[in-house]
Amino acid sequence: AQKVTQAQTEISVVEKEDVTLDCVYETRDTTYYLFWYKQPPSGELVFLIRRNSFDEQNEISGRYSWNFQKSTSSFNFTITASQVVDSAVYFCALSELNRDDKIIFGKGTRLHILP
Amino acid sequence: DVKVTQSSRYLVKRTGEKVFLECVQDMDHENMFWYRQDPGLGLRLIYFSYDVKMKEKGDIPEGYSVSREKKERFSLILESASTNQTSMYLCASSSNPQGAGNTEAFFGQGTRLTVV
Repeated sequence: AQKVTQAQTEISVVEKEDVTLDCVYETRDTTYYLFWYKQPPSGELVFLIRRNSFDEQNEISGRYSWNFQKSTSSFNFTITASQVVDSAVYFCALSELNRDDKIIFGKGTRLHILP
Repeated sequence: DVKVTQSSRYLVKRTGEKVFLECVQDMDHENMFWYRQDPGLGLRLIYFSYDVKMKEKGDIPEGYSVSREKKERFSLILESASTNQTSMYLCASSSNPQGAGNTEAFFGQGTRLTVV
């Protein structure tokens, strides 16, 4: 069965610090997709990244980077030089490539960036 | 821009009422989803649909039903609302090109439902 675990419920860091959000997943499929979403205080979820299971290259997008490691079933998200605008709830999600197209989310990590 | 629109931002209903939450997407997406979001529990999948008139139960379907008569519209129905269904409801859609797996899901702004 699919499962996504975000062990960190809430994190607070001071602005300009780096912060890593952890995501561990479970799946029996060999082909699957991983996602990160941001939910700012306004409430609407914003897509950040999609990764397929065959692509283990790390990705960097500005201050954001993602570390995908199949050996540990982890897909961690790092924000470098954090800013107050990064304060939000971040969700990791998993989707398997089969007829069952559902996307399963973790419980989210609430990130507070303190000025 | 992809747009997923939920009919109401806030709703207050009485226990026992039948409640309809409507969701419309304008990108011709195959897949549509209904989630509820509760503090400490994250997003939990209620129902999803990968085609017109098709529906699949998610993880917490009890007390809910859905309808997908047209590709762009996915309705969530609370047959007899109860106080434990007070929550934020999020609709999402995604495409699924043959053999390519789910693309990212696009979310609506959410409907905060209060059942009194």
